[in-house]
Amino acid sequence: AQKVTQAQTEISVVEKEDVTLDCVYETRDTTYYLFWYKQPPSGELVFLIRRNSFDEQNEISGRYSWNFQKSTSSFNFTITASQVVDSAVYFCALNSYGGATNKLIFGTGTLLAVQP
Amino acid sequence: EAQVTQNPRYLITVTGKKLTVTCSQNMNHEYMSWYRQDPGLGLRQIYYSMNVEVTDKGDVPEGYKVSRKEKRNFPLILESPSPNQTSLYFCASSLSDSYEQYFGPGTRLTVT
Repeated sequence: AQKVTQAQTEISVVEKEDVTLDCVYETRDTTYYLFWYKQPPSGELVFLIRRNSFDEQNEISGRYSWNFQKSTSSFNFTITASQVVDSAVYFCALNSYGGATNKLIFGTGTLLAVQP
Repeated sequence: EAQVTQNPRYLITVTGKKLTVTCSQNMNHEYMSWYRQDPGLGLRQIYYSMNVEVTDKGDVPEGYKVSRKEKRNFPLILESPSPNQTSLYFCASSLSDSYEQYFGPGTRLTVT
């Protein structure tokens, strides 16, 4: 069965601190895709990154970086020098190819609060 | 502007009164999906559609129906809503299920 675990329910940091959001996934399939989405207090869901299972390169986009490690089934998200505008709920998601289903499975989310 | 629209944005209804939440996308996406978001449970997929006339159940399909008669529209139907369907609902679309999804603004449904 496929599963996404975001063990950190809430994280609180002070502005300019670095913070890492953890994501651990489970799947038996060799082909899968991992995603991160951001949900700010306004409620919309914003796509951040997509990674396929064959590409283990880490990615950096400005203050955001992602560490994909197949050996530990993790796809962690780091925000460097956090800002108040980073305050949001962050979701990790998995789309795994196996059998006849193509469901997208979300973790339960991590609420990040960045204090000024 | 590329977008996914949902209507209504807010709805309060009573148990058993049939309702439909509409979803439309203007990006010519083949894949569309409905999710519900509940505190502590994240987003759970209700139904998805790979293309016109092709739909399948997600993780929590009970009590919901969908149809995909046109590529751009994917309505969510609650034939007999119950209080446990009170939730925040999101529609999403993407090129295919392996690509990032674009979400609508959400519909907050309250069933009393």
